[in-house]
Amino acid sequence: SQTIHQWPATLVQPVGSPLSLECTVEGTSNPNLYWYRQAAGRGLQLLFYSVGIGQISSEVPQNLSASRPQDRQFILSSKKLLLSDSGFYLCAWSVRVVPNYGYTFGSGTRLTVV
Amino acid sequence: KNEVEQSPQNLTAQEGEFITINCSYSVGISALHWLQQHPGGGIVSLFMLSSGKKKHGRLIATINIQEKHSSLHITASHPRDSAVYICAVRTTGSYQLTFGKGTKLSVIP
Repeated sequence: SQTIHQWPATLVQPVGSPLSLECTVEGTSNPNLYWYRQAAGRGLQLLFYSVGIGQISSEVPQNLSASRPQDRQFILSSKKLLLSDSGFYLCAWSVRVVPNYGYTFGSGTRLTVV
Repeated sequence: KNEVEQSPQNLTAQEGEFITINCSYSVGISALHWLQQHPGGGIVSLFMLSSGKKKHGRLIATINIQEKHSSLHITASHPRDSAVYICAVRTTGSYQLTFGKGTKLSVIP
C-alpha cells in the first residue's frame, strides 16, 4: 500500500537557523510531490511541487527551497529562518498520469520560529 | 486563479444534529476534495468528487458543477466529528490544489 512519511511532527527553531523537513513516499513510483504551508488563520498554500527527480517548481517567492534528490524523497529547506516562516507544513503526493487522481497527505510538521 | 470560499467558518452543533458545510469556487475544476484536519494537524482525505454524490458512512458529499458548489453533510453528528473540514479544488489543466480556509466544527455532547 502507498504511504507517506513526514518528519519531524513539531519543531521549534530560532530565527536565523537552518531548516530541513523531509518527506518520503512508499508504494508508488514517479509521484507528483507537493509542499504546502498553512499560516495561522489562512488556508493551505502551495509552496513547491515536483514532477520528477531534480524538477522543482516554486509557487511563492520566499526564503525556502525544495529539492528532490530521489524519486520518492522531497525535502524542504531554508538557510536562515524568519519569524514569518512559522506555520504548519504539509507534504502530499499524487499519481502523475491518471486523469482524475486523488492526493495523499502527510501528517504535517508544525514549525515555530522563535 | 480559483477562489474557494467555505461557509460557515465556524459551526457548533449538538450531538445527533445534521450538519452541512458549503464550498463554492470561481473557475472550472476537474476535481473537488473534502479533507478533515484534526486538532493535531494531520489531514485525512474524505472525498474526491468530479460529479454527483458520494457517501461514506455518515458523510455525504455532493457537487453541482454548473453552479460551482459542493456540500459536505454529516448525519447523526458525534463529538469525534469535531475537526476542521477543508474544501480543495483542482482547476482544470492544473496539478495543483487550491484550498478553502476551512470550517471549524465543534460537536457538543
